[in-house]
Amino acid sequence: NAGVTQTPKFQVLKTGQSMTLQCAQDMNHNSMYWYRQDPGMGLRLIYYSASEGTTDKGEVPNGYNVSRLNKREFSLRLESAAPSQTSVYFCASSEALLGAGGADTQYFGPGTRLTVL
Amino acid sequence: AQSVTQLDSHVSVSEGTPVLLRCNYSSSYSPSLFWYVQHPNKGLQLLLKYTSAATLVKGINGFEAEFKKSETSFHLTKPSAHMSDAAEYFCVVRGVNTGRRALTFGSGTRLQVQP
Repeated sequence: NAGVTQTPKFQVLKTGQSMTLQCAQDMNHNSMYWYRQDPGMGLRLIYYSASEGTTDKGEVPNGYNVSRLNKREFSLRLESAAPSQTSVYFCASSEALLGAGGADTQYFGPGTRLTVL
Repeated sequence: AQSVTQLDSHVSVSEGTPVLLRCNYSSSYSPSLFWYVQHPNKGLQLLLKYTSAATLVKGINGFEAEFKKSETSFHLTKPSAHMSDAAEYFCVVRGVNTGRRALTFGSGTRLQVQP
């Protein structure tokens, strides 16, 4: 099992450009998440998908869109990148279905380091 | 609402000495609590989790944490630090009744291990 994979690993964009970050998991998990990590801060949730076909906003959704393409894949799109979106982006997945208990473990990908100039 | 505070942004220990990374939480409901570790330029790896069973939780690589409800704390300890323990550690909380899968992360503690 590869677990959670993310592409690309690194990306540099100019302000106003768009791009899509890809995430896939091979653990048959129901829930998937996108986080961003900034220096001196923990991870903050951007969007999540509790199950295939559903998506919901997290703590910092502005400037992003997501697509749950199928059970395996969850992409994050920046339509018009801004310097404030320079960050490391992590995708995660967990087994839990909506309404399940709070203790299910999230498994994280290796991250995408994005710089917006 | 829930939150987590990691009391030290940076901890330095000598190899072979004990490690203590402190975490206090706030949650309206009985929380689930986690510790994750992040090595440089790597993703996050789960060290251990508390799920309202035993209050002393053992994790990987010799780490353990004790849930203390009266102190709203979930400190991470290890009896003897190893050079490979140098990393960033995140304390994480999720309220059981939030109905969401999202986690709330602390700001992290960077552990430095001196030879």
